[in-house]
Amino acid sequence: DAGVTQSPTHLIKTRGQQVTLRCSPKSGHDTVSWYQQALGQGPQFIFQYYEEEERQRGNFPDRFSGHQFPNYSSELNVNALLLGDSALYLCASSLAWGSGAFFGQGTRLTVV
Amino acid sequence: SQQGEEDPQALSIQEGENATMNCSYKTSINNLQWYRQNSGRGLVHLILIRSNEREKHSGRLRVTLDTSKKSSSLLITASRAADTASYFCATDPDYGGSQGNLIFGKGTKLSVKP
Repeated sequence: DAGVTQSPTHLIKTRGQQVTLRCSPKSGHDTVSWYQQALGQGPQFIFQYYEEEERQRGNFPDRFSGHQFPNYSSELNVNALLLGDSALYLCASSLAWGSGAFFGQGTRLTVV
Repeated sequence: SQQGEEDPQALSIQEGENATMNCSYKTSINNLQWYRQNSGRGLVHLILIRSNEREKHSGRLRVTLDTSKKSSSLLITASRAADTASYFCATDPDYGGSQGNLIFGKGTKLSVKP
């Protein structure tokens, strides 16, 4: 079982560009959540996908969007990148509400 | 915004000692979870305690939950150098049922010296 896999592991982008991050959930998991973790902070919830629909959304602007595919994998898109978007982006999958989440190793995004 | 506050922010102990970390939160919860993170990598789920539970054990880990005080503690017994990491508490807030999103604190940085 590969667990949660994320790609790429590191990424450098320029202000104003767009970025797409990818996540494959743990086998059998149908729910994918995305988190942003700034340096020295705890992860902040961005949104969650279930059955290809955005089910919950945190306090993030519309520049952050996502998608879930029929095989449960997911993408996080960020448009018009700002310096403040530099962070570790974590994907988590779970089987059901109220259960522990499995996290990927994250994508380190640097915006210059 | 962050719901939980871990205390202390940093903790340095010798191998073999016990480490205790505390977490306070603000809203009603369905459950509270503890995670470990090594060097800014992915989080590893350690233990989940439901709102109707008061104590839970897993190996060298012991978690308590006091919903009246909105607080939890994580005890790691007989610590090892490999326990060096950041530890986060995360709450699953109860908005009339689980919404599936976790709210994390800022974490406790634990350093275990050999």
